[in-house]
This record gives sequence, structure tokens and C-alpha cells, in this order.
Amino acid sequence: QQQVKQSPQSLIVQKGGISIINCAYENTAFDYFPWYQQFPGKGPALLIAIRPDVSEKKEGRFTISFNKSAKQFSLHIMDSQPGDSATYFCAASNPNTGTASKLTFGTGTRLQVTL
Amino acid sequence: DAGVTQSPTHLIKTRGQHVTLRCSPISGHKSVSWYQQVLGQGPQFIFQYYEKEERGRGNFPDRFSARQFPNYSSELNVNALLLGDSALYLCASSTGTAIRAFFGQGTRLTVV
Repeated sequence: QQQVKQSPQSLIVQKGGISIINCAYENTAFDYFPWYQQFPGKGPALLIAIRPDVSEKKEGRFTISFNKSAKQFSLHIMDSQPGDSATYFCAASNPNTGTASKLTFGTGTRLQVTL
Repeated sequence: DAGVTQSPTHLIKTRGQHVTLRCSPISGHKSVSWYQQVLGQGPQFIFQYYEKEERGRGNFPDRFSARQFPNYSSELNVNALLLGDSALYLCASSTGTAIRAFFGQGTRLTVV
């Protein structure tokens, strides 16, 4: 059962443009929503994360927008750079179980930023 | 500070064999989780250990097992390997009280 749906599967953006990746979740118990960046041959690295008590969080060029009623959240990469070319995963978890999160990942978006 | 370290980085095994993958968490982290990432897909949760106790298990067969040692390092064992077990196996560590998880570089397992 896929509990986190991610789109698009791939994305090509020109340098300086805005990259937008969307995710939707089903489990209303999810309470923590991170985004991970993964380069080929490497493990995922945490980019930015949000809890549902806020609608937006910004860190540098990366912004998460969160819509609790629609059960959707998105990642915006402003001023996209060729170095941002990677695969991006959204994830969700319910950390209220008392220990470190069991993450449920989306299927990934392969981002290519062209010159 | 060292991050999450996994060994080996690459491994080739034959169908039916057994494999052991190892993970050392970040110093001070007491929780380790294991994930399987098949090429082109997102990581899938296998196990979570906290303070040497299993705290969660994903939808994987009993051929998969794990344990956590007193120093909080962990092993993932897979018996009777199948071709479909070929994947990148990722280990993630966290303090156990904080929710932020840090991933290692993974072990690339190829079953032939």
C-alpha cells in the first residue's frame, strides 16, 4: 500500500527556474514530513522538514508548503542550480510512537537542472 | 564527527546464500533503522531498533532479521537470497528522542 504519492516522476528545469515537486499522503496519523535529496550512489540526505502545525517552512532556496486539509505538501526549489540535479524524495512518519521515526517514502522525482 | 557508516559498500552474492550487512550509527545515537531501496524506487522500511529492542518491522519476509548490539551498532541478515533482494540497503540513525534521521551511504547488494 503506497501511503505517500509523489509527482512528477521526473522534472527538467532551466538554471534559475523554480522546481516544484508534489506529494500527497493518506495516513492522517503522519505528523512529520521531511524531504530528502539523493545523489547517485549515495544515501538520502535530509533537506528540510515540516510539522503540520505550520503551512510553510523556508530554508535558503528550499521551501515546503503544507496543506493539512488536502493532505498534500510540496517542495519548491527557488533559483534552481545544476548542482541541485538529484533525486528528491518526500517522506512521512508518525513520530508520536515514542521513538525515532519509521519513514514512509514517496517514489522519488528525478530533477535535472539544465544550463 | 563520523556519520553513519555501513559495510561493505558493495557485495555480490549467489541465490540461496546468506548475507550480513553492518551499520555503525552516529556517536550518541541509540536508534537504527534499516531500509531497502530497489533501483528507481523510494526506500522501504525494514526494521527499527532502539536501545537494542525491535520497535518496528516492515512488510518483509522472515528471511530478513536484524539485531542491535550494546554499542548501538546493528546487523541486517538476509537468508536464502533471491534475485529480488538485489537493492541498496540503507541504515539510518537517530537519537531516538529526536525525529531527524541520518542515512549512511548504503550497501549495494547484487544477487546473481
